[in-house]
Amino acid sequence: DAKTTQPTSMDCAEGRAANLPCNHSTISGNEYVYWYRQIHSQGPQYIIHGLKNNETNEMASLIITEDRKSSTLILPHATLRDTAVYYCIVSRWGSSNTGKLIFGQGTTLQVKP
Amino acid sequence: DSGVTQTPKHLITATGQRVTLRCSPRSGDLSVYWYQQSLDQGLQFLIQYYNGEERAKGNILERFSAQQFPDLHSELNLSSLELGDSALYFCASSPNGGGTAYNEQFFGPGTRLTVL
Repeated sequence: DAKTTQPTSMDCAEGRAANLPCNHSTISGNEYVYWYRQIHSQGPQYIIHGLKNNETNEMASLIITEDRKSSTLILPHATLRDTAVYYCIVSRWGSSNTGKLIFGQGTTLQVKP
Repeated sequence: DSGVTQTPKHLITATGQRVTLRCSPRSGDLSVYWYQQSLDQGLQFLIQYYNGEERAKGNILERFSAQQFPDLHSELNLSSLELGDSALYFCASSPNGGGTAYNEQFFGPGTRLTVL
């Protein structure tokens, strides 16, 4: 599975958009980009995923560059409850995929009042 | 609430002992994954079971073993415990085992193991 690179930490003002970048320059054509987050030692929580098109759900938007080598997770109106560690994960799909997730160090997002 | 339950929430034991962690997946999910989270190693994939069969193995120590029962609940057995085994252990479930389908995982609240 492709390796990802994320900034160690970021700050965001409450009510503003939080843009979390992820670099995955070695991504293959059959690999999804997933985002999960973990709030203070709770179990990780799925946020969103994408293959090559931009995606949006009730939690966030995912923007994937055309060459798929990087992506950005956007939380449109960050709240204090969005303070968490955000993990960008790239994982294969297909017959050889087991679905396991390989977590990196993630980005600690601190939302400030 | 993800629908995944884990027991116990906390476990304190001594070195050399053996413990069993239990996980009940979401209703209908066939895959169970186990992850370990320690301060120095982060979140690490240990092992996956799919419909009762081992599907994938990560960096799981030989002292650790797991199984998935016919009712799809899973147990992670940790033996000859060492201080370094102190960690949060998460279980996750998903509807399938990967394959051609996208596969969101739902995580339980974790079991915090402290080895003294």
